[in-house]
Amino acid sequence: EILLTQSPGALSLSPGERATLSCRASQSVSSAYFAWYQQRPGQAPRLLIYSTSNRATDIPDRFSGSGSGTDFTLTISRLEPEDFAVYYCQQYVSSPYTFGQGTNLEIK
Amino acid sequence: EVHLLQSGIEMKKPGESLKISCKGSGYRFSNYWIAWVRQKSGKGLEWMGMIYPGDSETRYSPSFQGLVTVSADKSISTVSLQWNSPKASDTAMYYCVRLAGDAFFDYWGQGTLVTVSS
Repeated sequence: EILLTQSPGALSLSPGERATLSCRASQSVSSAYFAWYQQRPGQAPRLLIYSTSNRATDIPDRFSGSGSGTDFTLTISRLEPEDFAVYYCQQYVSSPYTFGQGTNLEIK
Repeated sequence: EVHLLQSGIEMKKPGESLKISCKGSGYRFSNYWIAWVRQKSGKGLEWMGMIYPGDSETRYSPSFQGLVTVSADKSISTVSLQWNSPKASDTAMYYCVRLAGDAFFDYWGQGTLVTVSS
């Protein structure tokens, strides 16, 4: 099973600032099989990024993903109020498909 | 438009059989895997297992193998998740999700809240 460890666990920033979220895998993951999801309070998660760097439909371009091997990053260039949420990374290269434990992005 | 509509809130006593469902619409239901994801209150996401409605092939996470059953009825575009003997530790929100061709989770249901309590 591939374990994913996200850092930091919580991040406090202000609107307009840049957010950098990290995810480290316990073994190498093909960049074609790595995703990020956003979960706002009381809502179902939604797909943000797939295949490491591809934005899902209707996701604004302030969201970007990068990485390879065991280290992946989600960057939000300028935070909007609606971006404060929990973010999960996921690998889907091998079963069981696993998620990181989440990063809680909070308003400072 | 792709939509996954899940069944409503469930409250069960330990040991009572439980089945929740997920109905897909807006796409060719038989051609996409559907997975179930558990989320306990205040916790993260756990992939439980999935099914390909076209031929009912199933795959389970080792953590959930033997504890739940995933089934599909493609004639009504519905996938189900079933427990024979749920426990209090099964209390959680459950999401069904569609897997895109490359297996990322592109569409999510609204979630079904399950409470198991005596």
